[in-house]
Amino acid sequence: SQTIHQWPATLVQPVGSPLSLECTVEGTSNPNLYWYRQAAGRGLQLLFYSVGIGQISSEVPQNLSASRPQDRQFILSSKKLLLSDSGFYLCAWSRVRNTEAFFGQGTRLTVV
Amino acid sequence: RKEVEQDPGPFNVPEGATVAFNCTYSNSASQSFFWYRQDCRKEPKLLMSVYSSGNEDGRFTAQLNRASQYISLLIRDSKLSDSATYLCVVGYLRDGNNRKLIWGLGTSLAVNP
Repeated sequence: SQTIHQWPATLVQPVGSPLSLECTVEGTSNPNLYWYRQAAGRGLQLLFYSVGIGQISSEVPQNLSASRPQDRQFILSSKKLLLSDSGFYLCAWSRVRNTEAFFGQGTRLTVV
Repeated sequence: RKEVEQDPGPFNVPEGATVAFNCTYSNSASQSFFWYRQDCRKEPKLLMSVYSSGNEDGRFTAQLNRASQYISLLIRDSKLSDSATYLCVVGYLRDGNNRKLIWGLGTSLAVNP
């Protein structure tokens, strides 16, 4: 069966510090991968998606970047965090792009 | 008008009750529909896809009404463990094969003993 791992679960970072969140998927190959953010009182916002190694599409301009160095690894990064980057970050995968998606446990990021 | 709209609730129901949520969508070209469940401070989990003919999974029934552009979720014999936020998700082809998913803000359900 497929599993998705995302870490860390919680993170408190100062403004201006870098960020690296990692997500890995097991039990499937060539998954579609996604990074979402869920801010308080707002719906899930798609940040990035990837259909293959090295292929990254950005949905919204922002302070973040994503990379996919391996088939089942997806990384979300920032060089300098802003207060507005606080939120619940979720990694997800699907077999077919933008169909049923399965989420990791999420990372609750607080920028202080 | 929002692309996907849900009544935020909260819906407070006693155990054993039947409760229904609706979700309206604005894009008539929408092709895929899902219900997710999200517990407090947890990740969303797929509850069920919604098919044109409607579908049922145990106590849960999902319906699609294309003419009125809404989907519904019916929960029968509510359990305490059904307390959660239910997210509606609608997908459409943005251009070519580029599918886009739009997430609702969710409907909060509290099942009381």
